[in-house]
Amino acid sequence: AQRVTQPEKLLSVFKGAPVELKCNYSYSGSPELFWYVQYSRQRLQLLLRHISRESIKGFTADLNKGETSFHLKKPFAQEEDSAMYYCALSGKGNKLVFGAGTILRVKS
Amino acid sequence: NAGVTQTPKFQVLKTGQSMTLQCAQDMNHEYMSWYRQDPGMGLRLIHYSVGAGITDQGEVPNGYNVSRSTTEDFPLRLLSAAPSQTSVYFCASSFSGPRNEQFFGPGTRLTVL
Repeated sequence: AQRVTQPEKLLSVFKGAPVELKCNYSYSGSPELFWYVQYSRQRLQLLLRHISRESIKGFTADLNKGETSFHLKKPFAQEEDSAMYYCALSGKGNKLVFGAGTILRVKS
Repeated sequence: NAGVTQTPKFQVLKTGQSMTLQCAQDMNHEYMSWYRQDPGMGLRLIHYSVGAGITDQGEVPNGYNVSRSTTEDFPLRLLSAAPSQTSVYFCASSFSGPRNEQFFGPGTRLTVL
């Protein structure tokens, strides 16, 4: 079974502080992991995917197969990063499974 | 391109009523899916389709039907609405499957009384 766990419902940080949004997954094969983001009054959209290994808006995420994690990190949070963040996994089959989401609030 | 469109934006139903949520995309995407978004539960997959004429169940299919007669359209039918189906519903599409970037619609907020 494919399962994604995001342990924090809400993460509140000050502007300029580092951010780490946690994502753990359960899957026996080789998954593909994603982070999707939903800004206020905007559509859910792809932020980044592990296979591209790129930094988007200063965010990075590394797939750690040993710890089955795909945490999202940014060294210096900005107010415009405030949003709902979803971790998602695609394994065998044609399903994309999402976690419960984490609200990131960046305070000034 | 309009991308992924959903209608209606809001809907209130009484228990037992039926309705269809519409979803269309103009990107010639093969893969389409429906999710419901509930507080504390994230996005849960209801049904998906890998192409016209092909549909399959997701995590929470009970109470919902889908069909895919064309590449563009993927309607979601609630057969007999229940209060537990109160949610925000999102339709998404991608080029060929879940490993491609998903493009989401704006959502439909459904309340069942």
